[in-house]
Amino acid sequence: GESVGLHLPTLSVQEGDNSIINCAYSNSASDYFIWYKQESGKGPQFIIDIRSNMDKRQGQRVTVLLNKTVKHLSLQIAATQPGDSAVYFCAENIDAGGTSYGKLTFGQGTILTVHP
Amino acid sequence: DTEVTQTPKHLVMGMTNKKSLKCEQHMGHRAMYWYKQKAKKPPELMFVYSYEKLSINESVPSRFSPECPNSSLLNLHLHALQPEDSALYLCASSRQGGTNEKLFFGSGTQLSVL
Repeated sequence: GESVGLHLPTLSVQEGDNSIINCAYSNSASDYFIWYKQESGKGPQFIIDIRSNMDKRQGQRVTVLLNKTVKHLSLQIAATQPGDSAVYFCAENIDAGGTSYGKLTFGQGTILTVHP
Repeated sequence: DTEVTQTPKHLVMGMTNKKSLKCEQHMGHRAMYWYKQKAKKPPELMFVYSYEKLSINESVPSRFSPECPNSSLLNLHLHALQPEDSALYLCASSRQGGTNEKLFFGSGTQLSVL
């Protein structure tokens, strides 16, 4: 079936450490993935995306790695700050039953807590 | 302007009430979405509109009725809801509704059904 999930539901780090959030997906036909950050009382905020023809993509302080062989996605946050504390979701945008319409499906989420 | 605006931010309604949630974007996007999010859970897709036509309905009960008056506006009409429908309702938009598009989300409407 189609599912996107996370290995760790919570992650606590010290300010300045690097954080790694993991995600597993099961749909081998998926070719576009997105990481979102959701703070309390807000909607999901786009962080970074990656297409299946790439293994790695870097943004400002964030890196996404894609391993298609084991269907694994990770988000690395460098020099984590208290403002990074939030719930992080991986999401998979798949074709909705051959219609060519995108259907964004979210994983379960990881709560990241950054201690000063 | 990369904002998706949702109103109201909070809504309390009884099971016999009729209310509407509103969403607006001015990014020129042609696809708009409704998601439902329960506490401590991921958002779940409800409806997708692409070029003002309903393209995806995730078997949502008929007490939820979406409407897309134009490509910038999206409404969700609520009628005879149940307490279990209490949740955060998120609106999003994307360029056209294809499979390789990022979605931009609003801050949501927190709905409580009494």
